[in-house]
Amino acid sequence: NAGVMQNPRHLVRRRGQEARLRCSPMKGHSHVYWYRQLPEEGLKFMVYLQKENIIDESGMPKERFSAEFPKEGPSILRIQQVVRGDSAAYFCASSPPLPFNIQYFGAGTRLSVL
Amino acid sequence: DAKTTQPPSMDCAEGRAANLPCNHSTISGNEYVYWYRQIHSQGPQYIIHGLKNNETNEMASLIITEDRKSSTLILPHATLRDTAVYYCIVLNAGNNRKLIWGLGTSLAVNP
Repeated sequence: NAGVMQNPRHLVRRRGQEARLRCSPMKGHSHVYWYRQLPEEGLKFMVYLQKENIIDESGMPKERFSAEFPKEGPSILRIQQVVRGDSAAYFCASSPPLPFNIQYFGAGTRLSVL
Repeated sequence: DAKTTQPPSMDCAEGRAANLPCNHSTISGNEYVYWYRQIHSQGPQYIIHGLKNNETNEMASLIITEDRKSSTLILPHATLRDTAVYYCIVLNAGNNRKLIWGLGTSLAVNP
């Protein structure tokens, strides 16, 4: 059973470009979470999705950021018009259905904005 | 979800037990204690969780006090690969599934 797969592992973008980060959850997991870790800081929750639904996006910046988890295919975190402050490690996690909230994390995508 | 307090850093000698404390004095009856760790530059890793009974798995043991206001994660024979930041997170088993990360404890296992 493959773990949570994130790609790309490293992504370099210039200011104003778009960044697309992909996350394939573990087999059988229908819940996906995105977290961001700024350099030398802790992890911050961004968004929680189930198939075709956003359940909690309270940690997402109001502008330029969006996330989806379609019926088929990976979850996508999209950042439009990137700025230098978006440079961070973005981690995706997946979990099976309740009752326990055990989240399995991918290796992350390191986004660098030039 | 209840707030947790952990020491910022700890040291442990290789081969010895590492005991990482966590205070969660405002924990409520339906909230579980979860432990994760993050080895430098890697994705976080689930370790163990518990409600009120002590728990043990292949990675660690979790001791929860009777009043549930604190807990201790025990790595019985720490190795250099256990050097990481360890996070104690309190969460209910309901629909609120997002993990709120504190600063954790940075554990250094020394040879």
